[in-house]
Amino acid sequence: KQEVTQIPAALSVPEGENLVLNCSFTDSAIYNLQWFRQDPGKGLTSLLLIQSSQREQTSGRLNASLDKSSGRSTLYIAASQPGDSATYLCAVQGAQKLVFGQGTRLTINP
Amino acid sequence: DAGVIQSPRHEVTEMGQEVTLRCKPISGHDYLFWYRQTMMRGLELLIYFNNNVPIDDSGMPEDRFSAKMPNASFSTLKIQPSEPRDSAVYFCASSPPNRGNGYTFGSGTRLTVV
Repeated sequence: KQEVTQIPAALSVPEGENLVLNCSFTDSAIYNLQWFRQDPGKGLTSLLLIQSSQREQTSGRLNASLDKSSGRSTLYIAASQPGDSATYLCAVQGAQKLVFGQGTRLTINP
Repeated sequence: DAGVIQSPRHEVTEMGQEVTLRCKPISGHDYLFWYRQTMMRGLELLIYFNNNVPIDDSGMPEDRFSAKMPNASFSTLKIQPSEPRDSAVYFCASSPPNRGNGYTFGSGTRLTVV
């Protein structure tokens, strides 16, 4: 059974810092890995999708990496802004099932 | 495309009442998923459909929960009778035939059973 773990559970940093969110998964037989953002009381917004054959994806200030063999992914956020405050969820897709981690609650302090 | 559309956005009901949640997937997506999100358990997959056929309902918590997909553009999740522990946010998501293209989620239905 696939298990996804995100560390840390919560993170608070001052504005402008670069930061890394971590995700690990137990079964490396995945099709892709997706990072989502969730604002309080809102739905899930897809940030980055990494196919199993890829090593990383970039979108603006966000960069996600994938190391399937070790069962790890990282989400790097450069030059953080208060608007980046949200919960970030990592999800891995196996045979059509998307399994989520518990998320990292990120707070960027002005 | 308007994305995945869920209704209602909020639902408050009394224990014992029937609740029906609705979802319209993105046109052309042939996979549809129902998830439930709670503080304690995070996001859990309840059931998913492929081409309107239920493929895996192992996440449905009890017989009080049922889901249907009568056509490619509509799905319902029904709880009968509802209980306070069913209070959660229920998300619908869809994905295209080419697995690996990711999921798109709706805005969710926040259900409160009192």
